[in-house]
Amino acid sequence: DGGITQSPKYLFRKEGQNVTLSCEQNLNHDAMYWYRQDPGQGLRLIYYSQIVNDFQKGDIAEGYSVSREKKESFPLTVTSAQKNPTAFYLCASRVTGELFFGEGSRLTVL
Amino acid sequence: QKEVEQDPGPLSVPEGAIVSLNCTYSNSAFQYFMWYRQYSRKGPELLMYTYSSGNKEDGRFTAQVDKSSKYISLFIRDSQPSDSATYLCAMSLGGATNKLIFGTGTLLAVQP
Repeated sequence: DGGITQSPKYLFRKEGQNVTLSCEQNLNHDAMYWYRQDPGQGLRLIYYSQIVNDFQKGDIAEGYSVSREKKESFPLTVTSAQKNPTAFYLCASRVTGELFFGEGSRLTVL
Repeated sequence: QKEVEQDPGPLSVPEGAIVSLNCTYSNSAFQYFMWYRQYSRKGPELLMYTYSSGNKEDGRFTAQVDKSSKYISLFIRDSQPSDSATYLCAMSLGGATNKLIFGTGTLLAVQP
């Protein structure tokens, strides 16, 4: 089945640690996105990539980093510089207008 | 002012009711309009996608776009408990710009 796979589903991190969230898609989509979702704030764009080896900052990129070495993969690293990292993270891909989302990764900082 | 405004709810209705969910927006250049449904602890899934003013129907769901008023709606007929979820509106500019702007989502509960 085609789709977007995010892992891990749940992740706990101590303050000061970097963590990497995985996102893999087999939809053959060029564009991939990372969103953060917090209660009452909707989805906010962190980073996006239109093609391999290229990516752009979204609205809230500070404290995050990404790479796009393969078309299928767009991992997100939440660094220790991110001041409030506890959130639900969503990866998405897109071919024309609509976004297809993964199941999300919930990160909790202890 | 936010680019997209959506009432967060929660909205509670009895089974079988007609539900109306709404979003307003400020950027008249938006061309593409979408509604996503998101169950608790899951990723959003696309329900409806339209790029013109007027109505688009799909089963029990109708999406309505009024570009002159900068207002979009999603109607759910004969609502079911399985419709209980958060509904997110989203919109984007046309052409090469791919960024989607999302509303904050409306939490809907359909009571059996």
